[in-house]
Amino acid sequence: GESVGLHLPTLSVQEGDNSIINCAYSNSASDYFIWYKQESGKGPQFIIDIRSNMDKRQGQRVTVLLNKTVKHLSLQIAATQPGDSAVYFCAESAAGEKLTFGTGTRLTIIP
Amino acid sequence: GAGVSQSPSNKVTEKGKDVELRCDPISGHTALYWYRQRLGQGLEFLIYFQGNSAPDKSGLPSDRFSAERTGESVSTLTIQRTQQEDSAVYLCASRLMGETEAFFGQGTRLTVV
Repeated sequence: GESVGLHLPTLSVQEGDNSIINCAYSNSASDYFIWYKQESGKGPQFIIDIRSNMDKRQGQRVTVLLNKTVKHLSLQIAATQPGDSAVYFCAESAAGEKLTFGTGTRLTIIP
Repeated sequence: GAGVSQSPSNKVTEKGKDVELRCDPISGHTALYWYRQRLGQGLEFLIYFQGNSAPDKSGLPSDRFSAERTGESVSTLTIQRTQQEDSAVYLCASRLMGETEAFFGQGTRLTVV
């Protein structure tokens, strides 16, 4: 759903471990989903996307899972590295229209 | 250009003054978005332009905020009579039509003193 000024939830993970970041979306008509990574002082950067006709997509060290039944999206990062420390946002859109962002999660990798 | 360009990168203004923030999207991108991000918080949708359609202004927080876009090129976000609560990073993103990622600029950090 819309990010409306909430403070970000946080997740701390030991370096080398896997991390899972979750996102709940509200619009059942959404058919395209994206995960973004935002490092301090920078704009969000694309990580991976998935369309609603899929339930899983893999990239390099990242996997996105989509569960349309419960309107849930997750991002799995394997073998986390210090450079993975950032804020992660999910985003959704329906029929190529407005892109709506979730609240975001701050991921901290502990060396 | 290689990416979305925003200017200025930083802006300090006095309370009550008007400011204009500029966004140059990636050439050929028909969709353009403005978001506001307060310190340590998420992205707050402001306005969305898509081709020649009427813009979606549903996220503009007050009538002090307005935005324009010339065709499928540059966009300007204007904040009139700035208030301290307007202090934030204003992010612009552009996107091709359809199901594609949006590309973000680096943002304009606005500080109202």
